[in-house]
Amino acid sequence: GDSVTQMEGPVTLSEEAFLTINCTYTATGYPSLFWYVQYPGEGLQLLLKATKADDKGSNKGFEATYRKETTSFHLEKGSVQVSDSAVYFCALSPYNTDKLIFGTGTRLQVFP
Amino acid sequence: NAGVTQTPKFQVLKTGQSMTLQCAQDMNHNSMYWYRQDPGMGLRLIYYSASEGTTDKGEVPNGYNVSRLNKREFSLRLESAAPSQTSVYFCASSDGQVFQPQHFGDGTRLSIL
Repeated sequence: GDSVTQMEGPVTLSEEAFLTINCTYTATGYPSLFWYVQYPGEGLQLLLKATKADDKGSNKGFEATYRKETTSFHLEKGSVQVSDSAVYFCALSPYNTDKLIFGTGTRLQVFP
Repeated sequence: NAGVTQTPKFQVLKTGQSMTLQCAQDMNHNSMYWYRQDPGMGLRLIYYSASEGTTDKGEVPNGYNVSRLNKREFSLRLESAAPSQTSVYFCASSDGQVFQPQHFGDGTRLSIL
């Protein structure tokens, strides 16, 4: 079945460092791909999305490119801030549905 | 700016007690979802409702029941709580169209003793 695999955390970085959180997926057809962010004590918020191959989603300095050839959707940010500390979830929506399948989440800790 | 509202935010139950978690959305969305979040397991779908009057099982439905009261409200019931149901529960909604994201509530932290 469809699934999402994320790198295990926590990812620990200093402020202004470059961030990559890896995400790969298994799916039939052409799923939509999402990154959600969960700040402490809050629900999940949509960070960015991509709906077809080679699309790049971007928001708040974060980017991810839908790579069908490598079945990946890695999250990147050029310069992280302490306020980016959160748990990041990669998710896919199988083709022609609005359901979501989540990865296990990656905790990011950014220190000043 | 309410979006998806869940009540209560916290609850402690004893094994065998029953409880209903409430969820309401004000975005006129067709689809609503209940998830549970456990450490190291991400979010797992318990039940979902594609439209008013319809509900379907998700990945982990055992021990739960749901009710789509109207388009706005989707409740989750634990008839006889068990310690294995200790978790954080999230409600979400979407407009049911493909490519559209789900919007989440802030969660209910439930502990079963």
